Amino acid sequence: GAGVSQSPRYKVAKRGQDVALRCDPISGHVSLFWYQQALGQGPEFLTYFQNEAQLDKSGLPSDRFFAERPEGSVSTLKIQRTQQEDSAVYLCASSLARLGTTDTQYFGPGTRLTVL
Amino acid sequence: GENVEQHPSTLSVQEGDSAVIKCTYSDSASNYFPWYKQELGKGPQLIIDIRSNVGEKKDQRIAVTLNKTAKHFSLHITETQPEDSAVYFCAARLSNFGNEKLTFGTGTRLTIIP
Repeated sequence: GAGVSQSPRYKVAKRGQDVALRCDPISGHVSLFWYQQALGQGPEFLTYFQNEAQLDKSGLPSDRFFAERPEGSVSTLKIQRTQQEDSAVYLCASSLARLGTTDTQYFGPGTRLTVL
Repeated sequence: GENVEQHPSTLSVQEGDSAVIKCTYSDSASNYFPWYKQELGKGPQLIIDIRSNVGEKKDQRIAVTLNKTAKHFSLHITETQPEDSAVYFCAARLSNFGNEKLTFGTGTRLTIIP
């Protein structure tokens, strides 16, 4: 079946521009996660949704980062006034998990953001 | 919060030999430990995971061991093949209700020498 998809796969932005990154989770997956992966590093947690509810946004690095999942399916990560330090791969993951359970997180291919 | 350390950062082994990657975690409340394989230009893919009520788990050539007392867990790959070459990440998840996020190690670049 179809996995997690992300678009665009590559995004080049000039410093100060706003960007929007899209994630299509596996159909029926309740939980959705965003991670940021800097070059040569492991993924770092940004935010987590269960259905449309954003339950944890403790990893968002600044108020320039905003995520939403209005209908409990597709999610968008928006970065306002991009800075060079925002350059990274942004990974989306989804899982069946409901609160209090543990299920595999399936990752998408990521969006590579380069801020010039 | 949780902190995960991973060693070594790079590892080269001859094809057919075994590879071992080790991770330690800081929070004794962590209860779920997955391992992911990431190939160039792709997202991480789960290869094996272990929960805190189990000490060892094996799946064909891959095994994971967990020592809760020492707070460390290891990935073992036997009879390595060229397609095993990739970056491997360990991760840990806290057991707090509603806290589903994974904390990842910094990765191990495994190279299999034909």
